[in-house]
Amino acid sequence: GQNIDQPTEMTATEGAIVQINCTYQTSGFNGLFWYQQHAGEAPTFLSYNVLDGLEEKGRFSSFLSRSKGYSYLLLKELQMKDSASYLCAVRDRNGGNKLVFGAGTILRVKS
Amino acid sequence: DSGVTQTPKHLITATGQRVTLRCSPRSGDLSVYWYQQSLDQGLQFLIQYYNGEERAKGNILERFSAQQFPDLHSELNLSSLELGDSALYFCASSGPQGTTNEKLFFGSGTQLSVL
Repeated sequence: GQNIDQPTEMTATEGAIVQINCTYQTSGFNGLFWYQQHAGEAPTFLSYNVLDGLEEKGRFSSFLSRSKGYSYLLLKELQMKDSASYLCAVRDRNGGNKLVFGAGTILRVKS
Repeated sequence: DSGVTQTPKHLITATGQRVTLRCSPRSGDLSVYWYQQSLDQGLQFLIQYYNGEERAKGNILERFSAQQFPDLHSELNLSSLELGDSALYFCASSGPQGTTNEKLFFGSGTQLSVL
């Protein structure tokens, strides 16, 4: 099975940079996704990593280290609309390549 | 709009009843996933279908069942409902290749309230 850990909550200031960490344990790692979810809404895709390194996409970047079972999502130039839950999800080739989500990190952006 | 359609948006029912949640994937997507999200838990993977066949199973209760039809829409059936089944149920789709880097597109969910 999988074990995915993220901080429960984080608070940051508008315009700042925040890093949300995710650690995972799985025997059949086959990719890591980050999703954003506003309260009561559907999750939306942010980024995907399968190889080690940094993937940059505008204000959002995601990093992966497979040997450490570690990823982070970096959000720059924070805006109030970035207040949401950020979900780390791991695809596991054992058991049909299912995508398993962590509990999510609630990010609060204050002015 | 993700292109994934879920109906109904809200469902209120009583304990012991049975309900059916419906999902239409994005045009061209062959994979359908069902997730349950409760207030105190994250997204819990229930089951995945690919082109009509079950591909992966999560912590889906025996009282729950699902299927994917030839037109690729999927239904999640929940029976003998209990208060604890109250949750937001999401359907997601990906594809058409069924490859591992395909991102999931989520529907807007069905909010189930069991009274």
